[in-house]
Amino acid sequence: AQRVTQPEKLLSVFKGAPVELKCNYSYSGSPELFWYVQYSRQRLQLLLRHISRESIKGFTADLNKGETSFHLKKPFAQEEDSAMYYCALTGSNYKLTFGKGTLLTVNP
Amino acid sequence: GAGVSQSPSNKVTEKGKDVELRCDPISGHTALYWYRQSLGQGLEFLIYFQGNSAPDKSGLPSDRFSAERTGGSVSTLTIQRTQQEDSAVYLCASRRGLGTEAFFGQGTRLTVV
Repeated sequence: AQRVTQPEKLLSVFKGAPVELKCNYSYSGSPELFWYVQYSRQRLQLLLRHISRESIKGFTADLNKGETSFHLKKPFAQEEDSAMYYCALTGSNYKLTFGKGTLLTVNP
Repeated sequence: GAGVSQSPSNKVTEKGKDVELRCDPISGHTALYWYRQSLGQGLEFLIYFQGNSAPDKSGLPSDRFSAERTGGSVSTLTIQRTQQEDSAVYLCASRRGLGTEAFFGQGTRLTVV
């Protein structure tokens, strides 16, 4: 079975502060991990994926297979980063499993 | 259209009625997914279709829920004898292949009164 856990339902930081959204997963094989974001009144969209190892909007995420984690980080949060963030996993089948999400609020 | 399209955008139905939700995926995308999004529950997986393989129905919450995908394209999610706890946003997504980005529709907000 594949499972994604996001331990924080809510996360509130001030503008300019570092932010880390936690994601842990459970999967017996080699997973592919993603972060999706949903801004207010917009569709869910891909933020980044671990295989591309890219930085999008200043966010990065590193896959740690030893700790089975894929935490999302940004050194300096901006108000426009306020959104719901979902961590997701795909295994060798096509099933795409999401965590329950973390609502990030960046205060001015 | 270029994106995933879902209809209707909003649906209000009486308890006990059947509803059908439609999803038009992006052309050429072989995988199609249905999720239910509700407050505090995140994205609950319902079902997915991949090519001609048998769908993975492991997330359907009860036998009142069913889905089909015709011709490898359009999909319909049917909820029979709706209950108030079925009220949620139902999201559809499609993607081309493993490891690729899943594109989401705008969702159907279902309200059972």
